[in-house]
Amino acid sequence: DAGITQSPRHKVTETGTPVTLRCHQTENHRYMYWYRQDPGHGLRLIHYSYGVKDTDKGEVSDGYSVSRSKTEDFLLTLESATSSQTSVYFCAISVGGSNQPQHFGDGTRLSIL
Amino acid sequence: TQLLEQSPQFLSIQEGENLTVYCNSSSVFSSLQWYRQEPGEGPVLLVTVVTGGEVKKLKRLTFQFGDARKDSSLHITAAQPGDTGLYLCAGIPTTDSWGKLQFGAGTQVVVTP
Repeated sequence: DAGITQSPRHKVTETGTPVTLRCHQTENHRYMYWYRQDPGHGLRLIHYSYGVKDTDKGEVSDGYSVSRSKTEDFLLTLESATSSQTSVYFCAISVGGSNQPQHFGDGTRLSIL
Repeated sequence: TQLLEQSPQFLSIQEGENLTVYCNSSSVFSSLQWYRQEPGEGPVLLVTVVTGGEVKKLKRLTFQFGDARKDSSLHITAAQPGDTGLYLCAGIPTTDSWGKLQFGAGTQVVVTP
């Protein structure tokens, strides 16, 4: 167990509203990631972080922002949610380096109506 | 377009049968990982292969990394209902110095008693 907690686990909201998802880890790992999972696409990287206040974009970052003010917390924000952002969102950490295997949280199922 | 192509997308077999899942690319990977994901949970790492031609065994599961490090396969012998899940391959392309994982779209395996 890599000690990753995602919250909320489920959320339904309306188009145009802001949404923030939280990823919390208990082991002070440096590297953290946000992915979205959609049928037929596997997992696609949204943003990643390599330390406090150090973040960068992944392949599907449009419409998303992130913040990491503490080692243990990595927040994903949808500033103005759209229906195309309906998805399952996963947070992950890698232990020992960015090129090491990743450990995932249990996901947040987000529905935008 | 996915960097890693998995086939088949879906596989339904009877308990006791064998199955093979393929993960192919035209790119070279410094390492390749296999994950299994069950409904409502995040992916869980099964194995990492790093050397061309490498074969790893995990009980009834056999993983192989291609000689050119562009492809991999997962073979399950005498499948059991507990093997049911979504199998994902993921790899780090040699062109990515940071080490971001690229995922295949996944193979859904269903093993019926």
